[in-house]
Amino acid sequence: DVKVTQSSRYLVKRTGEKVFLECVQDMDHENMFWYRQDPGLGLRLIYFSYDVKMKEKGDIPEGYSVSREKKERFSLILESASTNQTSMYLCASMGSVSNYGYTFGSGTRLTVV
Amino acid sequence: RKEVEQDPGPFNVPEGATVAFNCTYSNSASQSFFWYRQDCRKEPKLLMSVYSSGNEDGRFTAQLNRASQYISLLIRDSKLSDSATYLCVVIRGNTPLVFGKGTRLSVIA
Repeated sequence: DVKVTQSSRYLVKRTGEKVFLECVQDMDHENMFWYRQDPGLGLRLIYFSYDVKMKEKGDIPEGYSVSREKKERFSLILESASTNQTSMYLCASMGSVSNYGYTFGSGTRLTVV
Repeated sequence: RKEVEQDPGPFNVPEGATVAFNCTYSNSASQSFFWYRQDCRKEPKLLMSVYSSGNEDGRFTAQLNRASQYISLLIRDSKLSDSATYLCVVIRGNTPLVFGKGTRLSVIA
């Protein structure tokens, strides 16, 4: 089974801190994605990447950046954390054949205080 | 109009009931369709793909109606363990999956 691992399950950070969320997948998938999920708003795409060193903005990229230096790792960076970035962050990966859908990591619940 | 729309529910049904969820999509170029299940405070997990001819997996049946642009999920003989949020998902080519906001199901003893 594909495994997508997110480095932290729970994080508490202070306003203004730079925050790194790490995601690693072990199945050589080309595509990786970062979403946030908030009650009533569903899953919202922040950034995605189709290959190493490639990145594309999703629907809500403001306040975030990403890094994909290696195929298996996709990092989400909050440049200066704010309270409105308190959320559940979900990483996902998908192979080149989209018929199998995504595999998600278990999520990081970030609280910015 | 949102690209994928679902009735948010909640659907509260007794054990053993049959329940159906619908999901409509707006882009006729949508090619692949899935149902995901998400338990409270957990990540979404693939429940089943949806094929043009319809498909069944145990108590779960998924159907696609391209002409009317909707997909459905039918759950027969509901179990308490079926309580979750069910997400409708569509794909258009090599683009990120588009998720509905989910339909919440509570199966009551």
